[in-house]
Amino acid sequence: GNSVTQMEGPVTLSEEAFLTINCTYTATGYPSLFWYVQYPGEGLQLLLKATKADDKGSNKGFEATYRKETTSFHLEKGSVQVSDSAVYFCALYEYNFNKFYFGSGTKLNVKP
Amino acid sequence: DAGVIQSPRHEVTEMGQEVTLRCKPISGHDYLFWYRQTMMRGLELLIYFNNNVPIDDSGMPEDRFSAKMPNASFSTLKIQPSEPRDSAVYFCASSLVPGQGDQPQHFGDGTRLSIL
Repeated sequence: GNSVTQMEGPVTLSEEAFLTINCTYTATGYPSLFWYVQYPGEGLQLLLKATKADDKGSNKGFEATYRKETTSFHLEKGSVQVSDSAVYFCALYEYNFNKFYFGSGTKLNVKP
Repeated sequence: DAGVIQSPRHEVTEMGQEVTLRCKPISGHDYLFWYRQTMMRGLELLIYFNNNVPIDDSGMPEDRFSAKMPNASFSTLKIQPSEPRDSAVYFCASSLVPGQGDQPQHFGDGTRLSIL
């Protein structure tokens, strides 16, 4: 079946620290992969995406590379800011099932 | 573009009462999704519609839950009777073609439901 596993939080970092949030997936076909971000009291917003193997998605200083060989899509940022504090969700879209599958979310706290 | 609009933002009611959550998708979007978010289970897909027709309701937890989409601009999720374990944040999302484009899914801000 299809599923997404991401590291449990919360992750607490100091401002300007390096961020990695791990995400691995299982899929029956060739999914597209996404990272969504959820700020307090809001819905999910797309952060970045990658539609095929070796694609790198990037946005607002965040990056993630679609690694088919390791079935991973780890989120990274070189220097986090307090404003990056949010919950981050890894997700895959499986075209055969026409569905999104979301990870459990990782809460990031960035301290000044 | 007003985005996906959900109402109410917060709902507090007593066990056994009927609860109706509402969603207005983005105009022109053919797909509408209902999700439930809890600490224990994360984000779960309950049901989705394509052109107002329910396509997959395998995520609906029980017969107490029902969803309708009477037209392209409105959908409801009903719980009757409600139970404390239904307390969660319920999200509606819409899209043109899921998984594609710059915005594969647009989410509303959610309805925070508390069943006492």
